[in-house]
Amino acid sequence: SQTIHQWPATLVQPVGSPLSLECTVEGTSNPNLYWYRQAAGRGLQLLFYSVGIGQISSEVPQNLSASRPQDRQFILSSKKLLLSDSGFYLCAWETGAAYGYTFGSGTRLTVV
Amino acid sequence: GQNIDQPTEMTATEGAIVQINCTYQTSGFNGLFWYQQHAGEAPTFLSYNVLDGLEEKGRFSSFLSRSKGYSYLLLKELQMKDSASYLCAVGLYNFNKFYFGSGTKLNVKP
Repeated sequence: SQTIHQWPATLVQPVGSPLSLECTVEGTSNPNLYWYRQAAGRGLQLLFYSVGIGQISSEVPQNLSASRPQDRQFILSSKKLLLSDSGFYLCAWETGAAYGYTFGSGTRLTVV
Repeated sequence: GQNIDQPTEMTATEGAIVQINCTYQTSGFNGLFWYQQHAGEAPTFLSYNVLDGLEEKGRFSSFLSRSKGYSYLLLKELQMKDSASYLCAVGLYNFNKFYFGSGTKLNVKP
């Protein structure tokens, strides 16, 4: 079966600390993968998307970066977190034109 | 840029019908999607329109007019569990990119 895993579920990090969020998919090959951020009470902002290994497109200049070291692995990183990086981070996998996205369960990041 | 607009919040009564509108101005449009998101959870897929017209899936229906850049989600026989945010999203450029509206928070009251 096709599934998407995202971890951790919650994270509290001090300002200036590094970040690494991981997302993996199972049951498919060469998926389109995405990272979104949702600020409290707001919509989803597209951060990065990837159509293949090593291929990353950034939507918004920011304090974050993404990498895709393996076909089914997508990583979101930061070297030094800012308070404004707090939010709900969602990994998504495009499961086909008729179905849009399947989302991971999300990571709630609080930078303190 | 991409503009996707939906009302911020709506309130409706259990058993009633509610229509949530979405207007968009985008380039490379391929299709429009609706997602449901309960508080603190990830969005889940509800419906998809690529052609003009109405798509019906049980209590939920979605309509699209590409010429007007307009869609709506229709929820019938509202239940308390329908209280959630409803996100309109457009798929662009062969569905390589998806952009979301800010979401409409629906409050269903007894």
